[in-house]
Amino acid sequence: KAGVTQTPRYLIKTRGQQVTLSCSPISGHRSVSWYQQTPGQGLQFLFEYFSETQRNKGNFPGRFSGRQFSNSRSEMNVSTLELGDSALYLCASSAASYNEQFFGPGTRLTVL
Amino acid sequence: TQLLEQSPQFLSIQEGENLTVYCNSSSVFSSLQWYRQEPGEGPVLLVTVVTGGEVKKLKRLTFQFGDARKDSSLHITAAQPGDTGLYLCAGAGRVGGQNFVFGPGTRLSVLP
Repeated sequence: KAGVTQTPRYLIKTRGQQVTLSCSPISGHRSVSWYQQTPGQGLQFLFEYFSETQRNKGNFPGRFSGRQFSNSRSEMNVSTLELGDSALYLCASSAASYNEQFFGPGTRLTVL
Repeated sequence: TQLLEQSPQFLSIQEGENLTVYCNSSSVFSSLQWYRQEPGEGPVLLVTVVTGGEVKKLKRLTFQFGDARKDSSLHITAAQPGDTGLYLCAGAGRVGGQNFVFGPGTRLSVLP
């Protein structure tokens, strides 16, 4: 079974731009969660989607948004990028909300 | 305040030594996962423990879930340089408004 895939793996943007990251979960998994990881803050939960509906949301500003498609693929969007948005963005899929999560390789976003 | 605490934060040992890392919380979890993460990559799931008091072994790694399902430990026997990485524990259950809560991690360095 193929694992979680994330594209792109690396991204460099400038302040004020917007970015869209993509995640394809493991086949059959309906829950997709997004996390931001930085050296200082560790793994921080952004949001979770299940069957195209956002079920949980972390404490991030409205500049961070996401969506999930009918095939369970998910995208997250960050608008008006700030320097502090530089991080590793991780996507995790699971069969259901409380099942174990499997992570993708992440997208390394650098904001200049 | 972290919902999940991990100790130690950093650990540097020689190849062949044994070590134990801890994951503690005041919250009860329905299950707990341990992950290992290498720089620039996503966390890789090592094990899931579900039952209080459960012990699972994965080669030289032994995982234990506390009887009250609030804490866990990971013991590595005869550590090898390949064990180097960031070890993360994650508790599953509706805690802090999230389905999964991650600890800050233990950064392990095994020197040859």
